Amino acid sequence: EVQLVQSGAEVKKPGESLKISCKGSGYSFTNYWIGWVRQMPGKGLEWMGIIYPGDSDTRYSPSFQGQVTISADKSISTAYLQWSSLQASDTAMYYCARQWSFDYWGQGSLVTVSS
Amino acid sequence: NFILTQPHSVSESPGKTVTISCTRSSGTIASNFVQWYQQRPGSAPTTVISEHNRRPSGVPDRFSGSIDSSSNSASLTISGLKTEDEADYYCQSYDGSNQVFGGGTKLTVL
Repeated sequence: EVQLVQSGAEVKKPGESLKISCKGSGYSFTNYWIGWVRQMPGKGLEWMGIIYPGDSDTRYSPSFQGQVTISADKSISTAYLQWSSLQASDTAMYYCARQWSFDYWGQGSLVTVSS
Repeated sequence: NFILTQPHSVSESPGKTVTISCTRSSGTIASNFVQWYQQRPGSAPTTVISEHNRRPSGVPDRFSGSIDSSSNSASLTISGLKTEDEADYYCQSYDGSNQVFGGGTKLTVL
């Protein structure tokens, strides 16, 4: 069974750094893209970027380029989304999903940024 | 880049059929696969249609997808509506190295 399991909820202060994770199982992690999607409170889905763990080929949405970093550690079948300096506007639910067609989704990681 | 436009909301009665549209602003709808996702309140999205019209395992055959090149749009049709179908629905496609989601449609089954 394909599963994407994300790290838990985080509460951070503005300016802090954060790295959230998405662990894949039940399939060959290195052979499928993993994408990240933001959903701000009460809003729709926004594509942030995507990585191919096999060779770390990474693509970013122009809206998120330079704002976040996507990475993967294929030895532990885990993809990451990280911020170097959080802002209150980063408060959102973040989902990982497999492939460009997003056939499987993680359960989501809630990030709250508040002073 | 392109935009996918969906109606903000639709409503229909149980047992009826509803169609949600997704219109692509530029480029051809058939050039890249369209997916549809269902998101119930408080839950992660799940895929109900992939590659224009493929139903993943476990999705009822009441859900179907299609594309119309004349209107450059995709459609999600749900027949025999059930109250459990009440959710937000998003279309999604891509172009080169960019993914695009529609704004989402809130389906109310009343």
